[in-house]
Amino acid sequence: EAQVTQNPRYLITVTGKKLTVTCSQNMNHEYMSWYRQDPGLGLRQIYYSMNVEVTDKGDVPEGYKVSRKEKRNFPLILESPSPNQTSLYFCASSSRTGGYNEQFFGPGTRLTVL
Amino acid sequence: GESVGLHLPTLSVQEGDNSIINCAYSNSASDYFIWYKQESGKGPQFIIDIRSNMDKRQGQRVTVLLNKTVKHLSLQIAATQPGDSAVYFCAESSHHNFNKFYFGSGTKLNVKP
Repeated sequence: EAQVTQNPRYLITVTGKKLTVTCSQNMNHEYMSWYRQDPGLGLRQIYYSMNVEVTDKGDVPEGYKVSRKEKRNFPLILESPSPNQTSLYFCASSSRTGGYNEQFFGPGTRLTVL
Repeated sequence: GESVGLHLPTLSVQEGDNSIINCAYSNSASDYFIWYKQESGKGPQFIIDIRSNMDKRQGQRVTVLLNKTVKHLSLQIAATQPGDSAVYFCAESSHHNFNKFYFGSGTKLNVKP
């Protein structure tokens, strides 16, 4: 089954404790992206990757890192989480079809930073 | 499931009626628009998209209308069903950078049986 998976689905942590949220897709997609979703703000793009070893900042990259060492994986790293990073996080992937991308989203990761 | 919008605009419709969900965008350079549906506890799911060289596009039971003059996008759902109950987001992008997407804050559709 074609899908985007994220782990963990739920995470409660404390300020300053490094964490990684994994994202994996099995559709051989070149493009992957991370979003955060907060009430009343919709989804905001954190980082995206056009291909292996190619990443760029979205609208809200502060406090986050990403890596793209393999095509299927795009982990989101919070080196020193803070309470304002408490949010619902989504990973997405898409193939590049004529430059217009239909994105496939993962199920989300609910992160709480105390 | 995950709750994503505590104070979202809500549209309540009767089952079988047509629904119209609206979205305003601000970037004149945007030339690609997408509607997503998000059910409780799930990630957004693609519904339909439209490019700026069109003003209307139809899918199965859904129609997207684009008015570039007033930067307005709408999603029409025909014969709304209980399974259509969800939060709907519009998103925009531009050929200047197809990798960046900007989402609206969403509208909750509540279908009454």
